[in-house]
Amino acid sequence: QSVLTQPPSASGTPGQRVTISCSGSSSNIGSNTVNWYQQLPGTAPKLLIYSNNQRPSGVPDRFSGSKSGTSASLAISGLQSEDEADYYCAAWDDSLNGRYVVFGGGTKLTVL
Amino acid sequence: EVQLVESGGGLVKPGGSLRLSCAASGFTFSSYSMNWVRQAPGKGLEWVSSISSSSSYIYYADSVKGRFTISRDNAKNSLYLQMNSLRAEDTAVYYCARDRVKSVTPEFDYWGQGTLVTVSS
Repeated sequence: QSVLTQPPSASGTPGQRVTISCSGSSSNIGSNTVNWYQQLPGTAPKLLIYSNNQRPSGVPDRFSGSKSGTSASLAISGLQSEDEADYYCAAWDDSLNGRYVVFGGGTKLTVL
Repeated sequence: EVQLVESGGGLVKPGGSLRLSCAASGFTFSSYSMNWVRQAPGKGLEWVSSISSSSSYIYYADSVKGRFTISRDNAKNSLYLQMNSLRAEDTAVYYCARDRVKSVTPEFDYWGQGTLVTVSS
């Protein structure tokens, strides 16, 4: 059971816009920034979005992130076949016991 | 070019120990916080531990606290994870990942290829 909740799957057709949600609480998303990772099959994860909505160099502007309250979203516009991957959100979680990095359970994106 | 190369994975019996290493190159290692993230077969990502650039700040997941120790040697551009009292549920690919900035954050901008740890009798 992940601290951050993501839908297990999402799908879209080429050219479509898809959004993936990430739900948390006041101890994580509500008080910290959110990051998103893309993991293509058989490869290491790749940082896609940091600080809620910032794209690292080289990440296409088709990918965008947003945060509101205790939830965050990753949007992919102009969906392409190469976007088929697992997507994870991550954030700090500040609990009474200390500070932890928490990941969402991941969303498998299928391009139909 | 930034490179992170993990080593030290393998098959170990429950209760055993293993030490993972991550050799870094292509950047000023001593200026970045570093992290270990693992992924059990067919499962999602799980953060394991983080260490700041000067080792002043260290964090562990509850699942490994007291059993795993993260460390680094800035002179050797290397990150380590000493894993003791290993359990079957520690079986995973272990990734070394660099923080995007100097401070410890969940912004991991470079990842190694991973090393597989299998805990089984």
